[in-house]
Amino acid sequence: QSALTQPRSVSGSPGQSVTISCTGTSSDVGAYNYVSWFQQHPGKAPKLMIYDVTKRPSGVPDRFSGSKSGNTASLTISGLQDEDEADYYCCSYAGSYTGVFGTGTKVTVL
Amino acid sequence: VQLVESGGGLVKPGGSLRLSCAASGFTFSDYYMTWIRQAPGKGLERVSYISSSGTYTYYSDSVKGRFTISRDNVKNSLYLQMNSLRPEDTAVYYCARVHASSYSFDYWGQGTLVTVST
Repeated sequence: QSALTQPRSVSGSPGQSVTISCTGTSSDVGAYNYVSWFQQHPGKAPKLMIYDVTKRPSGVPDRFSGSKSGNTASLTISGLQDEDEADYYCCSYAGSYTGVFGTGTKVTVL
Repeated sequence: VQLVESGGGLVKPGGSLRLSCAASGFTFSDYYMTWIRQAPGKGLERVSYISSSGTYTYYSDSVKGRFTISRDNVKNSLYLQMNSLRPEDTAVYYCARVHASSYSFDYWGQGTLVTVST
């Protein structure tokens, strides 16, 4: 399986919204509603932010939202805050209990 | 929920290492578990997973035949035996809990660094 495609970087000013895309194929993103998103600060473990395309785990701020259209999933951060500066990875189920991660996106708060 | 990895270190190519992950704060035997690695400056790669009972296992092509995942539901521990290590296995290895009702990883350990080098 090839990695899901994400933009290398996105940026925005505090309070703005940014959207990160995650493009896969009809065998992964397009086939299942099992897309998740992880936030990773430097030197730290990834943290689950979104699962099942749109669901937020308890404790994740509601400014984080997920969506999907066809073979592309998206993570939107509304009301960008300084602490949102991090790397973000998407992940999708690809059948037979396998999955694939995205290439990762660095979010910069200007 | 807490996951604490140990066992990483420096090893020569062709050598072996055994990683451990101690779990607490949840009923370990109810959950699938997985190992995910991240090479320096690179993205995430799922290496292996194991079913809640230990019956089913999965390995990525990059480690199949060299790594073995196992678990001890009495000791609440997950293991990764890594043999025939290669420089490209150099990475931080994370253990993670698989979400109960979804394909996702809801809790992660802090990671342990494995360096394969002469």
